[in-house]
Amino acid sequence: GAGVSQTPSNKVTEKGKYVELRCDPISGHTALYWYRQSLGQGPEFLIYFQGTGAADDSGLPNDRFFAVRPEGSVSTLKIQRTERGDSAVYLCASSSRDGKNEQFFGPGTRLTVL
Amino acid sequence: AQSVTQLGSHVSVSEGALVLLRCNYSSSVPPYLFWYVQYPNQGLQLLLKYTSAATLVKGINDFEAEFKKSETSFHLTKPSAHMSDAAEYFCAVSRYGATNKLIFGTGTLLAVQP
Repeated sequence: GAGVSQTPSNKVTEKGKYVELRCDPISGHTALYWYRQSLGQGPEFLIYFQGTGAADDSGLPNDRFFAVRPEGSVSTLKIQRTERGDSAVYLCASSSRDGKNEQFFGPGTRLTVL
Repeated sequence: AQSVTQLGSHVSVSEGALVLLRCNYSSSVPPYLFWYVQYPNQGLQLLLKYTSAATLVKGINDFEAEFKKSETSFHLTKPSAHMSDAAEYFCAVSRYGATNKLIFGTGTLLAVQP
C-alpha cells in the first residue's frame, strides 16, 4: 500500500505569510506525528494526534503553529506570520495503535521563508 | 526527561570495513530505542528497534544494535560496509505510553570510501 505522503514537497514563502502543510498518513493508522528538522539537526517533535484529537502538542514552538486532523486521517500543519527561523523540513509520521510504536515517515516538506 | 547523544557527526569507513555508530541515551524509565536511516532527499526509514525483548536486535541490511543498560548505550554496527550504506543515521528514544513521541539525536553522517 501507499506510504505517508506530504504536500507540497517544497514551499517557498515570504516572511509574514501564512502556510499550510498537508500530511496523508498510511490508511488505517490512528496515530499521526509532526516533526521539524532543521539543517544539521535531528527531527524535533511538534505534535501528536490519536484519531482526531491532539493528544500532545508540547512541541509546538509558539502560538503561530497549529495543526488539525478533523476526520482522523489527513492532517494539516498551519503556520501563521512565518519567520525566517521557521525554515526547515517538516516531517509527518504515522503509526498503528499496536503498542510497537513503529513510526513510518513521509518524505517531508521543505519550507523556506525568505 | 529522555535524551539521546550520538558521538561523531561524521564517520568515514572503507568499503568492506566494520561500521560502528555510537548512541547513548538518558531515560528515567525503561526506554524504547530506534535507529533510523535517511538517504538524501528521502524520508526516514526504520533500521531496527529495541522494545524490551532481546538485547541484541537485528535489522535490515545486516545492521544490528545491542542494548546495554549498564552503559546506557545502543550502538549500531554492520560487519561490512557497502557503498549504498552512505547516508545519515539517527538514533531515537521513546517510552511506551500515551504519546510515543520520538526524541532524536543529532545524527551521524556515514561516508563509505571505495
